[in-house]
Amino acid sequence: LAKTTQPISMDSYEGQEVNITCSHNNIATNDYITWYQQFPSQGPRFIIQGYKTKVTNEVASLFIPADRKSSTLSLPRVSLSDTAVYYCLVERAGSYQLTFGKGTKLSVIP
Amino acid sequence: NAGVTQTPKFQVLKTGQSMTLQCAQDMNHNSMYWYRQDPGMGLRLIYYSASEGTTDKGEVPNGYNVSRLNKREFSLRLESAAPSQTSVYFCASSERGLGSGGGVDTQYFGPGTRLTVL
Repeated sequence: LAKTTQPISMDSYEGQEVNITCSHNNIATNDYITWYQQFPSQGPRFIIQGYKTKVTNEVASLFIPADRKSSTLSLPRVSLSDTAVYYCLVERAGSYQLTFGKGTKLSVIP
Repeated sequence: NAGVTQTPKFQVLKTGQSMTLQCAQDMNHNSMYWYRQDPGMGLRLIYYSASEGTTDKGEVPNGYNVSRLNKREFSLRLESAAPSQTSVYFCASSERGLGSGGGVDTQYFGPGTRLTVL
């Protein structure tokens, strides 16, 4: 399964758009990408999932280029409550093969 | 709806002791998972269960055993704890099951168990 690489940490000011990129160079045709958010002392929580191009929901957007070797989670106008660790997950459809990235710690500064 | 619950929240063991981590879900999900989370390592899959009565190894199964007691409950057992098993353990569940076809789904995580092995 594809190995994933994410930045260890990022800082952003309140109100800015934040983009977190995950690299997955060896992604396979039937692999999907999912992003999770984790607050301290809690379990991860689903944010968004996609296969290709762009997916948007009420909290985030996910951009996946045509070659699918990376994906970018976009958080519009972040607030202090978005301070958390964000994980990308590559998961093979129809199987239980999955790999989480090591997480990106996002700190939102007032 | 409690979602996914885990007990205990915290546990300290001595090397060689055994213990069982309990997990239950009330969402009628078919699949259940056990992960460990270590600093700088992300989440790594220990075992999973695609349906009641089946279990399979994940990425890091050594030193652990699991039981899918029924559709709701999935336990993780450490027979002889080692300091290397000091970690935070998360249980998760998802709707899909064996034979559910292609695609992936959303995992719902419990609050975790912080285990220290001395």
